Amino acid sequence: EVQLVESGGGLVQPGGSLRLSCAASGFTVSNNYWSWVRQAPGKGLEWVSVIYSAGNTYYEDSVKGRFTISRDSSKNTLFLQMNSLRDEDTAVYYCARNWNYQFDNWGQGTLVTVSS
Amino acid sequence: QTVVTQEPSFSVSPGGTVTLTCGLSSGSVSTNYYPSWYQQTPGQPPRTLIYTTNIRSSGVPDRFSGSILGSKAALTITGAQTDDESVYYCVLYMGSGTWVFGGGTKLTVL
Repeated sequence: EVQLVESGGGLVQPGGSLRLSCAASGFTVSNNYWSWVRQAPGKGLEWVSVIYSAGNTYYEDSVKGRFTISRDSSKNTLFLQMNSLRDEDTAVYYCARNWNYQFDNWGQGTLVTVSS
Repeated sequence: QTVVTQEPSFSVSPGGTVTLTCGLSSGSVSTNYYPSWYQQTPGQPPRTLIYTTNIRSSGVPDRFSGSILGSKAALTITGAQTDDESVYYCVLYMGSGTWVFGGGTKLTVL
């Protein structure tokens, strides 16, 4: 069964850090492209970052230098390290598989709240 | 900065046909942007409907179709059902490993 399960969300103060995880089953993380997509409360979807199977990584401009996407093949898990968090980073964060330029499998999301 | 544009809201009668569009603040959308479309209901992750312009994702009813209309990508729902009441998002591949989502269209079926 194909499943993506995000974890690691929570409440963090502005300027703080958080590490999100996305455990994959039914897929081999290292053989696929993976993205993080976020959705602020009541707002639309926003692509955040992608990691290619070759290891290339790309980021949306507002998170460049603050967020780092990575993966652990031994755990078949995707990560998003988020540093210097801002109020505007508050959102549900989804991991999703990229295939053929689309996002074809999504997790249920994990909520990140940045607030003092 | 490139903005992907969608109608904020649309309304269609049950059984009717509606076309939602996905454009660019500057320039035209072509197949080179690999437009894809997603349906999202409250509290749920998005569900893929259409990818690479016009390919229906597995299990998606054939009343959903994708195309390029003029300078925009388009999602057409033919024979709308009440279950189709959702928010629809398009996303474009901008090259250099980046994607941009549109702001979403809230579709009302009544």
